Amino acid sequence: QSVLTQPPSVSGAPGQRVTISCTGSSSNIGSGYDVHWYQQLPGTAPQLLIYGNANRPSGVPDRFSGSKSGTSASLAITGLQAEDEADYYCQSYDTSLSDVVFGGGTKLTVL
Amino acid sequence: EVQLVESGGGLVQPGGSLRLSCEASGFTFSTYSVNWVRQAPGKGLEWLSYISGISNIIYYAGSVQGRFIISRDNTKNSLYLQMNSLRAEDTAVYYCARDRDSYSPYYFDSWGQGTLVTVSS
Repeated sequence: QSVLTQPPSVSGAPGQRVTISCTGSSSNIGSGYDVHWYQQLPGTAPQLLIYGNANRPSGVPDRFSGSKSGTSASLAITGLQAEDEADYYCQSYDTSLSDVVFGGGTKLTVL
Repeated sequence: EVQLVESGGGLVQPGGSLRLSCEASGFTFSTYSVNWVRQAPGKGLEWLSYISGISNIIYYAGSVQGRFIISRDNTKNSLYLQMNSLRAEDTAVYYCARDRDSYSPYYFDSWGQGTLVTVSS
């Protein structure tokens, strides 16, 4: 059971918009800790996608965006492409555990 | 180009020990903190440990505190993870990941390709 809760799977057709939620609590996201997102393509290592809630590293398309509100965060992907099919993980810090925490991951399927 | 290359994984018996290495290139290693993160087969990511650039700040996840030891050698641009008292549940791909904060784990902007550790008799 992950401290940060993500839906196990989401799907969308090419060109559509999908969102992936990351729900935490008052001891992590709700305490003001930043949320970061990673993309893990099949058979590869994770890659940074969004940092500091809403910032994109250079090279990440602006189709990817992040937001945070209260005890939750969201990753939005617009103009869905086949190459976006991957697992997506949110990450933050939990003050009760004194640990970095990840969400359980969300598998995105492009129909 | 930033590169992180892990090595040292393999098959080890329960109760045994293993030392992982991560060699860095393409950046000034001593000025960056680094982490170990693992992923059990078919499972999600789990952060394990953090070490600052000059090794004066170290953190561990509760699940490995007292069993795993993180260290680094900046003269060799290398990060290490000494894993002791290994259990079946330690079976995973182990990644090293560069951190963007100098004082505590924050976010990980570069990852290695991972090395597989299998704990089994």
